[in-house]
Amino acid sequence: RKEVEQDPGPFNVPEGATVAFNCTYSNSASQSFFWYRQDCRKEPKLLMSVYSSGNEDGRFTAQLNRASQYISLLIRDSKLSDSATYLCVPKSSGTYKYIFGTGTRLKVLA
Amino acid sequence: EAQVTQNPRYLITVTGKKLTVTCSQNMNHEYMSWYRQDPGLGLRQIYYSMNVEVTDKGDVPEGYKVSRKEKRNFPLILESPSPNQTSLYFCASSLGPSANYGYTFGSGTRLTVV
Repeated sequence: RKEVEQDPGPFNVPEGATVAFNCTYSNSASQSFFWYRQDCRKEPKLLMSVYSSGNEDGRFTAQLNRASQYISLLIRDSKLSDSATYLCVPKSSGTYKYIFGTGTRLKVLA
Repeated sequence: EAQVTQNPRYLITVTGKKLTVTCSQNMNHEYMSWYRQDPGLGLRQIYYSMNVEVTDKGDVPEGYKVSRKEKRNFPLILESPSPNQTSLYFCASSLGPSANYGYTFGSGTRLTVV
């Protein structure tokens, strides 16, 4: 089993739609989780950090389910500018290991 | 402005010609790392450094060297580049190993080895 698994997509959604991605992880010692956004051929940028059960920032909500070892990202009222690849990154404290998922591609259509 | 700076942004070179990709951060971060990104494989860690003079291998270190003589700089060295090292490279830094710290990435270096 891969350490981090994400559906590669693409998820094609109309503007204004709500879309959710899941990310499953295998290391039960993972304590924190990050969602990064990556535009084509550009560097990943930190979108959200999740340390407990979840986090919300404007239109973006991340939920963590430790029992089932998955984390989700919900985007409400999708904008064209949300089109990107979203990378899930679990991390354990005290290690230098960030394990990146291969990402889920989102296309928001006009 | 807090940032990670990589140079060059684009590089085309020939097999066997030594090259260095520079990386510098101005945030006083302890931890720095190099990744390569290839289609379908995601970001794979090459080397990382916990602090000055402390480095270790990541998942794909073969064919690469690094050094950390100063806290702000973490160059990636390809002693004898080969075509399979054609990739998009990212340098990244963070405050430290605490689970709460995410990465700041450089803008990337697109390397082509012919």
